[in-house]
Amino acid sequence: DQQVKQNSPSLSVQEGRISILNCDYTNSMFDYFLWYKKYPAEGPTFLISISSIKDKNEDGRFTVFLNKSAKHLSLHIVPSQPGDSAVYFCAASDTFTGNQFYFGTGTSLTVIP
Amino acid sequence: GAVVSQHPSWVICKSGTSVKIECRSLDFQATTMFWYRQFPKQSLMLMATSNEGSKATYEQGVEKDKFLINHASLTLSTLTVTSAHPEDSSFYICSARVPGQGAYGYTFGSGTRLTVV
Repeated sequence: DQQVKQNSPSLSVQEGRISILNCDYTNSMFDYFLWYKKYPAEGPTFLISISSIKDKNEDGRFTVFLNKSAKHLSLHIVPSQPGDSAVYFCAASDTFTGNQFYFGTGTSLTVIP
Repeated sequence: GAVVSQHPSWVICKSGTSVKIECRSLDFQATTMFWYRQFPKQSLMLMATSNEGSKATYEQGVEKDKFLINHASLTLSTLTVTSAHPEDSSFYICSARVPGQGAYGYTFGSGTRLTVV
């Protein structure tokens, strides 16, 4: 049972434009969310996080939005750069009951120069 | 920041042999480490939770006799894939909770790409 879903396996964006990656989850108990970036043959690199007490968290070009009622979060990258081309995973956790993170299947982002 | 060092980053082994993957917390003590596995085009899935000084807790469907986890010290956890088969080829990654960072402090290793031939 996939509790975290990324329904878009791939996304292509022109350099300089906005990239929007989406993630949906089913467990209303999730209260902590992460976005990771992963290059081929490398481990995930932490990008940005958000807890359920917030609906937005910004770090430089990266902003994560959380819509708890819709059980949806999104990652915005503005402006997109070719070096942003990678696979992006969202992950969620119910920090109250456990430490396990549930990951989405990833979205492969290609930023076209 | 807190770092977990994972080695090797990639390994190729023959079918039937065993492979050991190490995860070390470099600047903090990790009482608990988590081991994940990712098959192609799938998400990372938790395999087991290792606790320092005690037996690991395995997720349903994960063979504990095949995936041996040892967490003998506060800075080292190892995953040994015994009698590896081609279907064990996957991406393995560890994660640790960082003390003092509350419920939200986690860090991940860089992962190990295992190919069994």
